[in-house]
Amino acid sequence: EPEVTQTPSHQVTQMGQEVILRCVPISNHLYFYWYRQILGQKVEFLVSFYNNEISEKSEIFDDQFSVERPDGSNFTLKIRSTKLEDSAMYFCASSVIQGGQAGTEAFFGQGTRLTVV
Amino acid sequence: GENVEQHPSTLSVQEGDSAVIKCTYSDSASNYFPWYKQELGKGPQLIIDIRSNVGEKKDQRIAVTLNKTAKHFSLHITETQPEDSAVYFCAAPNYGQNFVFGPGTRLSVLP
Repeated sequence: EPEVTQTPSHQVTQMGQEVILRCVPISNHLYFYWYRQILGQKVEFLVSFYNNEISEKSEIFDDQFSVERPDGSNFTLKIRSTKLEDSAMYFCASSVIQGGQAGTEAFFGQGTRLTVV
Repeated sequence: GENVEQHPSTLSVQEGDSAVIKCTYSDSASNYFPWYKQELGKGPQLIIDIRSNVGEKKDQRIAVTLNKTAKHFSLHITETQPEDSAVYFCAAPNYGQNFVFGPGTRLSVLP
């Protein structure tokens, strides 16, 4: 069964360092997402991406965040200068067509646990 | 934007009993409601969803009901088993392509 894969599974970084989280969405999917889950809290939307550009972003997704699809398969989230409060699980998701109101499910990866020390 | 509330936050049931988790949403235009199951250390996994043109959907031991007038939808798990123990999240669309998740319900099925 196709699945969204994320690497690494766990990343520890020092405050102020840059990190790149990687995702390989399901191959025929066209919409890609990043969500975040701080320990014990709910899953929060960060950004959606379609046709090589950001289509939506939340207020969490400020200037320290960026996303990129550098090739035909990978989808990355870069955090430029990490802060302690960036520590969370980061989930990549993809959907075959537009999700949300269009009524299409999003499939989530296993997540990357980011720990900023 | 959309606001999703979920109750209860924790739920313990005996194996074989039923479990019900309820969510309410604020945007009457929302038309699609997925339920996700998250096991420890894993990502959310879609277990069932419902679109606004139906009132109920069932898949084996899992069912979801939708009341559009009252703006709430519920997850029903019958004949619970220990492997049903997890955190369950409901979600609703937030205008565009993303979802707003409820705060989650930690379900414990006691043997």
